Amino acid sequence: DAGVIQSPRHEVTEMGQEVTLRCKPISGHNSLFWYRQTMMRGLELLIYFNNNVPIDDSGMPEDRFSAKMPNASFSTLKIQPSEPRDSAVYFCASRKTGGITGELFFGEGSRLTVL
Amino acid sequence: GESVGLHLPTLSVQEGDNSIINCAYSNSASDYFIWYKQESGKGPQFIIDIRSNMDKRQGQRVTVLLNKTVKHLSLQIAATQPGDSAVYFCAEKTSGNQFYFGTGTSLTVIP
Repeated sequence: DAGVIQSPRHEVTEMGQEVTLRCKPISGHNSLFWYRQTMMRGLELLIYFNNNVPIDDSGMPEDRFSAKMPNASFSTLKIQPSEPRDSAVYFCASRKTGGITGELFFGEGSRLTVL
Repeated sequence: GESVGLHLPTLSVQEGDNSIINCAYSNSASDYFIWYKQESGKGPQFIIDIRSNMDKRQGQRVTVLLNKTVKHLSLQIAATQPGDSAVYFCAEKTSGNQFYFGTGTSLTVIP
């Protein structure tokens, strides 16, 4: 079975540019999470969706960050405009209600470098 | 100013020995506690979870212990193998289904 699929795997961009990260959760999973991982802050929860509805976006760092989930099989995390401090690995994870309670399935991440 | 990164705790063990990785948590209201393993270049991978009303749970070669009195969680890995080398994270799940991760411990298994 295909796991969580993220794209792009690597992105290098210049400060001020718009960045869009994409995620396809595992089919049948109804919760989706976006995390950011840095050496400074570790793994931070940015936002999570349940049944395509944003439930908690309190971790989104600022208005430059936005996330959408237009349907059950696709989500985007957008940064506009990007800044060097946004450089990090961004992970998407999905979870199935009724599965193992603590189990999130992570993608392989999108490594973003903002110059 | 100079930026300071997280100081990741490290643990080195000899192959075949048992490993114990510790974690302190802060939220007494969390209903599940979980351990994840992250290998280099990959996303975290679920190992085992424990409900907050339990104090011990065993899996294959792993045991999780929960001490709610001192808000402490540990992961024991039996007969550690080179493939166990990774960063291990504890995580808490809230009743609102948020998952919050700790800073991680780097485990190195010496062949």
